[in-house]
Amino acid sequence: EIVVTQSPATLSVSPGERVTLSCRASQDIDTNLVWYQQKPGQAPRLLIYGASTRATGLPARFSGSGSGTEFTLTISSLQSEDFAVYYCLQYNNWPWMVTFGGGTKVEIK
Amino acid sequence: QVQLVQSGSELRKPGASVKISCKASEYTFTKYAINWVRQAPGPGLEWLGWINTNTGNPTYAQAFTGRVVFSLDTSASTAYLQINSLKPEDSAIYYCARGSGEWDLWGQGTQVTVSS
Repeated sequence: EIVVTQSPATLSVSPGERVTLSCRASQDIDTNLVWYQQKPGQAPRLLIYGASTRATGLPARFSGSGSGTEFTLTISSLQSEDFAVYYCLQYNNWPWMVTFGGGTKVEIK
Repeated sequence: QVQLVQSGSELRKPGASVKISCKASEYTFTKYAINWVRQAPGPGLEWLGWINTNTGNPTYAQAFTGRVVFSLDTSASTAYLQINSLKPEDSAIYYCARGSGEWDLWGQGTQVTVSS
């Protein structure tokens, strides 16, 4: 089973700061990685797929990078609406298995 | 409006079953897989598996094989999740989500509470 580890678990940030979230897979998953954002009381929202492709309508301040086992989600200048929990998901074994990371909570400093 | 609309909250006793629905609107239902994901209290998401909306063939995550059943009513553009032999630890919000790897459309979630 592929284990996905996100770090840090919590990030305290001020609006306007640059934020980098990390996601590590226990084995090579090529670019089969997705990032989701979840706000309280809402369903997750697709941000990035294929490790680096922005979902339709996603602001350009969000970017994804990486391949193999190391991935990052970068928010170039954090806005108030970006405070949320971010999850990565690997789908390298689709359709048999997908695995979520444990999430990173981005909170106001 | 393109959306997935799920059925309402459910309260069940341990050992009972529950069946949740996920109705698709304004897109061709059989063009996309439907996945099921749950979120227990606190952060963290868990994938239960998915169903091929063309063939009706389900794939279950290993941890849920034998206890959950996915089904379809393609005439109603609706997918169903049934969970049997409920335990208190099954208390969670259950989501349906459209897609194969990247899930671009999610239902609003259904709260299932299992308590005696």
